[in-house]
Amino acid sequence: GENVEQHPSTLSVQEGDSAVIKCTYSDSASNYFPWYKQELGKRPQLIIDIRSNVGEKKDQRIAVTLNKTAKHFSLHITETQPEDSAVYFCAARGGGSYIPTFGRGTSLIVHP
Amino acid sequence: DSGVTQTPKHLITATGQRVTLRCSPRSGDLSVYWYQQSLDQGLQFLIQYYNGEERAKGNILERFSAQQFPDLHSELNLSSLELGDSALYFCASSVGMAAGNNEQFFGPGTRLTVL
Repeated sequence: GENVEQHPSTLSVQEGDSAVIKCTYSDSASNYFPWYKQELGKRPQLIIDIRSNVGEKKDQRIAVTLNKTAKHFSLHITETQPEDSAVYFCAARGGGSYIPTFGRGTSLIVHP
Repeated sequence: DSGVTQTPKHLITATGQRVTLRCSPRSGDLSVYWYQQSLDQGLQFLIQYYNGEERAKGNILERFSAQQFPDLHSELNLSSLELGDSALYFCASSVGMAAGNNEQFFGPGTRLTVL
């Protein structure tokens, strides 16, 4: 089955800095890669996703890049704000399975 | 608000007991997924139902079972509870099982504490 590794487990940045979270996946047939943000005690919410036929996608301060050859994808957050502080999960889905496999999460802390 | 509802919000019980968690998917969604989130753990997929039928199983223990009813709400039954079952249990729903970007919408979760 699919295996998703996510790094780092914790990321601490100053407000205004950029943050990058990286994930690798094992199944080359995976074709859909969502990112979820989970604030403390709340539900995971989809913030951005990318399909395998696209290399990069942006939405205001967040962007996701995908390298199919290397089987890794990354979340980039620019001009971080304290409200960006949360746990971020990457996931990969495809290859005959419609169940996403999640990474273990990255706790992002943005210091004001 | 994602449109997915879960009850109860919190549940405290003792080891050896049995509990039932309830989930109502978004209007129009046919798929329901159950996840377990323990401390320091990511989201562990347990089981999925589509239109009343079990479609996929993940790391679900034999002590756990689920079902989806004709009105599409789902219940997750946890029995012979152990301390290690303490976790946040999320339900998610999606329209179907399309191979495309079939977004999952998560409910607010049920926090289960086993004492």
